[in-house]
Amino acid sequence: AQKITQTQPGMFVQEKEAVTLDCTYDTSDPSYGLFWYKQPSSGEMIFLIYQGSYDQQNATEGRYSLNFQKARKSANLVISASQLGDSAMYFCAMREGVDSSYKLIFGSGTRLLVRP
Amino acid sequence: GAVVSQHPSRVICKSGTSVKIECRSLDFQATTMFWYRQFPKQSLMLMATSNEGSKATYEQGVEKDKFLINHASLTLSTLTVTSAHPEDSSFYICSAGGARGLFGEQFFGPGTRLTVL
Repeated sequence: AQKITQTQPGMFVQEKEAVTLDCTYDTSDPSYGLFWYKQPSSGEMIFLIYQGSYDQQNATEGRYSLNFQKARKSANLVISASQLGDSAMYFCAMREGVDSSYKLIFGSGTRLLVRP
Repeated sequence: GAVVSQHPSRVICKSGTSVKIECRSLDFQATTMFWYRQFPKQSLMLMATSNEGSKATYEQGVEKDKFLINHASLTLSTLTVTSAHPEDSSFYICSAGGARGLFGEQFFGPGTRLTVL
């Protein structure tokens, strides 16, 4: 079974509008972390935002926020006020475990294109 | 923030040769390093996890004799693709785990694009 699912292969958004990228996950581990990374065409992986399984509040980081619905096992990324530079691949990832020695499992990614 | 470098950034080699890719954590000690492979328009697939001073743990389906991983120090891990073939052409990315991440996140290198002719 897929542990991380991103159902949107591609998304379009108009500049300055908000967009939501979907991510669902599957784990039986009570301690896990959810990450979102951005990968521009250069290939580098840019860390955007993190949500821990025990965090009570949704994570926010500037224009990025994470809509964490634990019971539904979803961790959607919301980008507000989209900019042209937001055009990239976006990956959701899960870590089963509490620290960086545990491996990440990545979703298939969503390609976001911001239209001017 | 923590910086991870990879060298080379791009390599082209002939079929049958071996290629070594270096991954270095520049300003922190990486107790664990990870190697990923990414084919065009696909996601990152974990190949192996390496801990300093011990043998790497390979993911199912990854040939350990073909992809040799050495994590000799807390700042350096190497991936050697032995007897490379065109199907090994891919984007290889390393990441490092250490104490610097506020969220326990991994820090990624910029990647190495391997083309085997």
